[in-house]
Amino acid sequence: AQSVAQPEDQVNVAEGNPLTVKCTYSVSGNPYLFWYVQYPNRGLQFLLKYITGDNLVKGSYGFEAEFNKSQTSFHLKKPSALVSDSALYFCAVRDRDGQNFVFGPGTRLSVLP
Amino acid sequence: EPEVTQTPSHQVTQMGQEVILRCVPISNHLYFYWYRQILGQKVEFLVSFYNNEISEKSEIFDDQFSVERPDGSNFTLKIRSTKLEDSAMYFCASKKTGGNTGELFFGEGSRLTVL
Repeated sequence: AQSVAQPEDQVNVAEGNPLTVKCTYSVSGNPYLFWYVQYPNRGLQFLLKYITGDNLVKGSYGFEAEFNKSQTSFHLKKPSALVSDSALYFCAVRDRDGQNFVFGPGTRLSVLP
Repeated sequence: EPEVTQTPSHQVTQMGQEVILRCVPISNHLYFYWYRQILGQKVEFLVSFYNNEISEKSEIFDDQFSVERPDGSNFTLKIRSTKLEDSAMYFCASKKTGGNTGELFFGEGSRLTVL
């Protein structure tokens, strides 16, 4: 069965600095990987996904993520953080067989002015 | 931009009562899901639905839960006899295609409080 780990409950970063939110996964076969963001009292919004091809994928709001098969990781990055990026970030994975998305536990990002 | 809509946004109910949460998925989407989130924490899969039947369900989705697509637009989650531990945010999601590559589109959620 597939699983997702987000090793950090909380990430703090100063505005203007680069940010990284970590995600590792376990899945049989090739993974399909996703990042979602949740702002307070809102639903989950899709940021980006890795399906195949280039290991660096670019998404909404200046975010990007790097797929690393050998490390089974899919870390979310942004070169320069904004205070408005403060939110809860979820990594998710699907395998080839199921319809289900499995979400990680979430990482709360706080960008300090 | 098309979106998934959910009603009610917040429902308070007494333990043992039946609750129906409603969702209108994006109109040309074919796959529908319910997830729940307790206290802003982990997002847990409940059930997926396609072609008028359940595709997958989790251990959480026991006999107290049911889903239905009563017409061409609505997708409902029913909890027959609510328990305190059912208090959570329930998210509906939809997906356009059956392939594994498509992303889910989520609604804003229905907060259920069981007293």
